[in-house]
Amino acid sequence: ETGVTQSPTHLIKTRGQQVTLRCSSQSGHNTVSWYQQALGQGPQFIFQYYREEENGRGNFPPRFSGLQFPNYSSELNVNALELDDSALYLCASSPETGVLYEQYFGPGTRLTVT
Amino acid sequence: AQSVAQPEDQVNVAEGNPLTVKCTYSVSGNPYLFWYVQYPNRGLQFLLKYITGDNLVKGSYGFEAEFNKSQTSFHLKKPSALVSDSALYFCAVRERGDKIIFGKGTRLHILP
Repeated sequence: ETGVTQSPTHLIKTRGQQVTLRCSSQSGHNTVSWYQQALGQGPQFIFQYYREEENGRGNFPPRFSGLQFPNYSSELNVNALELDDSALYLCASSPETGVLYEQYFGPGTRLTVT
Repeated sequence: AQSVAQPEDQVNVAEGNPLTVKCTYSVSGNPYLFWYVQYPNRGLQFLLKYITGDNLVKGSYGFEAEFNKSQTSFHLKKPSALVSDSALYFCAVRERGDKIIFGKGTRLHILP
């Protein structure tokens, strides 16, 4: 069984650019959540997708957007990058929504904005 | 709003000694509490959770946590520390809508 994978591993962007991060959920999982982990901080919830629909959002501006595809993989898009967007972006998949279902995290994508 | 606090940025423990990583929580309603561990250049790994039931929860790699409602605490413990336990540990609380709220993390150093 393949775990959660994310691509790319690292990338460097310039302020004002746009970026797309990708996440492949674990087999059989229909829910994907995205988190931002700034250096020295705990992860912060960005949003969650369930069966291709957004299912909850944290305190992030609209320039953070996402998609979930029919195979339940997901993308996180960030427009108009700012220096403070530099962080480790984690995605997590789970079999269903709800507190009883574990979220399994991928290794993350480290984004550096210069 | 729900939150967790990890009062220690870093904890140092000698190998073989018991370890405790502290966490306190603030929730409305029933708390759903978790511990995760993060190794360098890797994602978060689930250690254990408290949903309901026994106050002592056993998890992966010999870790356990004690839920204390009166003290609103959920401290992570292990009877005998290993050097390989050195990592960043996060306490977290989960809302019904699946959002996980993490603490700032505690870096655990196990000294050989």
